[in-house]
Amino acid sequence: GAGVSQSPSNKVTEKGKDVELRCDPISGHTALYWYRQSLGQGLEFLIYFQGNSAPDKSGLPSDRFSAERTGGSVSTLTIQRTQQEDSAVYLCASSLARGAGNQPQHFGDGTRLSIL
Amino acid sequence: SQQGEEDPQALSIQEGENATMNCSYKTSINNLQWYRQNSGRGLVHLILIRSNEREKHSGRLRVTLDTSKKSSSLLITASRAADTASYFCATALNAGGTSYGKLTFGQGTILTVHP
Repeated sequence: GAGVSQSPSNKVTEKGKDVELRCDPISGHTALYWYRQSLGQGLEFLIYFQGNSAPDKSGLPSDRFSAERTGGSVSTLTIQRTQQEDSAVYLCASSLARGAGNQPQHFGDGTRLSIL
Repeated sequence: SQQGEEDPQALSIQEGENATMNCSYKTSINNLQWYRQNSGRGLVHLILIRSNEREKHSGRLRVTLDTSKKSSSLLITASRAADTASYFCATALNAGGTSYGKLTFGQGTILTVHP
């Protein structure tokens, strides 16, 4: 079966531009997570969607970052006015139910974002 | 910020040897998970151990959890070159008795297994 799909796999853009990253979770997974992986900070939680509940946005680093999940499936992470420190790999994961401790998270291969 | 601290940061061994990686954490957890990441790929879930468990096995993997010391270890027995990857521990916090969705990851251990 299909795993978590992320696009694009690589994105290079100029500082100040907006970028949109996409995540297609595994069908039937109600929980969706975004993480950021960078050399200096390791893996950081960004945002968590669970069904129709309000998302947990506690990990978003600034108001330039936003995410939405349409129809309980596909999610997009948008970064406005990109800065060089936004360069990282953005990973999406999904799981069957709320509670990461009860279900493993399934990760996509990420989007490698480079800000020039 | 990262809750988990892992050691060693890097481990280099020969095929057939055992590899042990350690993880420490700071807050009360519902459970702890180990993930593996091959270069340029996403993370793959290996094993989950709940806070009321002390040891768990899966194939060549053995995980222990000591909640009094807030630490866990991952042992890979009879390692293979294909085990070369980064290994991360991740904790799911205990929030009012329920397991909360987000994971907090350690910095990871880079394992290299030489054929």
